[in-house]
Amino acid sequence: DAKTTQPNSMESNEEEPVHLPCNHSTISGTDYIHWYRQLPSQGPEYVIHGLTSNVNNRMASLAIAEDRKSSTLILHRATLRDAAVYYCILRDVRNYGQNFVFGPGTRLSVLP
Amino acid sequence: DSGVTQTPKHLITATGQRVTLRCSPRSGDLSVYWYQQSLDQGLQFLIQYYNGEERAKGNILERFSAQQFPDLHSELNLSSLELGDSALYFCASSVGLADGELFFGEGSRLTVL
Repeated sequence: DAKTTQPNSMESNEEEPVHLPCNHSTISGTDYIHWYRQLPSQGPEYVIHGLTSNVNNRMASLAIAEDRKSSTLILHRATLRDAAVYYCILRDVRNYGQNFVFGPGTRLSVLP
Repeated sequence: DSGVTQTPKHLITATGQRVTLRCSPRSGDLSVYWYQQSLDQGLQFLIQYYNGEERAKGNILERFSAQQFPDLHSELNLSSLELGDSALYFCASSVGLADGELFFGEGSRLTVL
C-alpha cells in the first residue's frame, strides 16, 4: 500500500490560512488522495479528495504537486472548530478491497 | 449529523462476554464499513459489506464477526472479549463500493473490564 507522511502536529491562529502538508512519494497513477478530519469525540469526517488537478469545495482546497508525490490541504480561514486530527489517505479505486488506511495524521491546534 | 446511526453509544462489559454493535447507514447507502479506534492503534479498518455481501476484510479478529441485513443495517459481533478490545468502534457508510466519501457515525465506545 502506498503510504503517506504527515507532520505530527501543527498550530495556526484563528482566521488565518492553514496549509497541511502530506508526502506520498510512492503514489501510483490510480491512487486518489483523500483528506479526512476527526474532531474531538466524533467520527472522521470527509474533507476533500482528488486525483491530479487541484480541487476546491466549501470546506477546503486540495493542492496536488505536479509529480503527485505531495499534496497540501488548505483551510482558507481557520476557525476554532477546525481544531482536529487531519488524515491524508491514498486509495486505489481499482481495488475496492484496499480500504481507507488511516495513519496517525496531523493534529491541528487553532489559537484564538 | 452524518446520517449514520450507531447503537449503543456506550457499553461496559466484562472479559469473556459477547456484545453486538448496531449500525444504520445513511438512507440509500449500500456500503457499510466497520473501524476500530484504540489509543495505541489508531483507526483500523475491520470489514466492509456492500448490499449484504462481505466485500473487503481488514484486521478483523476471528472472535469478531459482522453481517449486513436485507434492510442494509449492519451488526458487529464481538465475542470472548478481552481487555484489549476496549475501543471506539465506528461504522461508516457510502453509496457505492469504492466511493471517496465515507460518512461516519459517532461511534460505540466499548469498555471491557
